[in-house]
Amino acid sequence: DAKTTQPPSMDCAEGRAANLPCNHSTISGNEYVYWYRQIHSQGPQYIIHGLKNNETNEMASLIITEDRKSSTLILPHATLRDTAVYYCIVRVSTDKLIFGTGTRLQVFP
Amino acid sequence: ETGVTQTPRHLVMGMTNKKSLKCEQHLGHNAMYWYKQSAKKPLELMFVYNFKEQTENNSVPSRFSPECPNSSHLFLHLHTLQPEDSALYLCASSLNPGQGSEAFFGQGTRLTVV
Repeated sequence: DAKTTQPPSMDCAEGRAANLPCNHSTISGNEYVYWYRQIHSQGPQYIIHGLKNNETNEMASLIITEDRKSSTLILPHATLRDTAVYYCIVRVSTDKLIFGTGTRLQVFP
Repeated sequence: ETGVTQTPRHLVMGMTNKKSLKCEQHLGHNAMYWYKQSAKKPLELMFVYNFKEQTENNSVPSRFSPECPNSSHLFLHLHTLQPEDSALYLCASSLNPGQGSEAFFGQGTRLTVV
């Protein structure tokens, strides 16, 4: 069972920030929030993960609410190459990755 | 390029054939995984290997037989498959089974069973 809820699809204009929400209201204290994306017909790609604090790397930022029941992945300046399915996954560090249906992000010119 | 290489990239096989999918990584990872992705369905975890030992089999039919001869190589042997087994088969690896290690995925093998 996927422990997260994501909108099935979103659109974003090229150059604008893409904000992808994820609800994980039943998250446990030792569970991390992971984000992966899958560009069409390729293998999934790791983006970022976090536990409580907000995280940033060269690809994206992850904002986790104080109660940890939801999070937002931010792509600060979306490009056409960011068109993909984005998966939000909640798991303990010793657990395997279980994918849900994700959000299909379409970046348009 | 993720460091996880899968061959072949595409495979067409008959229902009576026997074929094998290969996955290799030289990242020094200790955990390897097989996933299946059917059209318009989420990725399904099939098998997990940690330090060459199978630690998970997600009720996968016996016509799929994994093999992990060492930490760098993972095979999926296929025999007497059905058309509904047509899918994208993805291999992944991670440094350690736990500790929050990120997983690196190969490009997948697109399998068509005719």
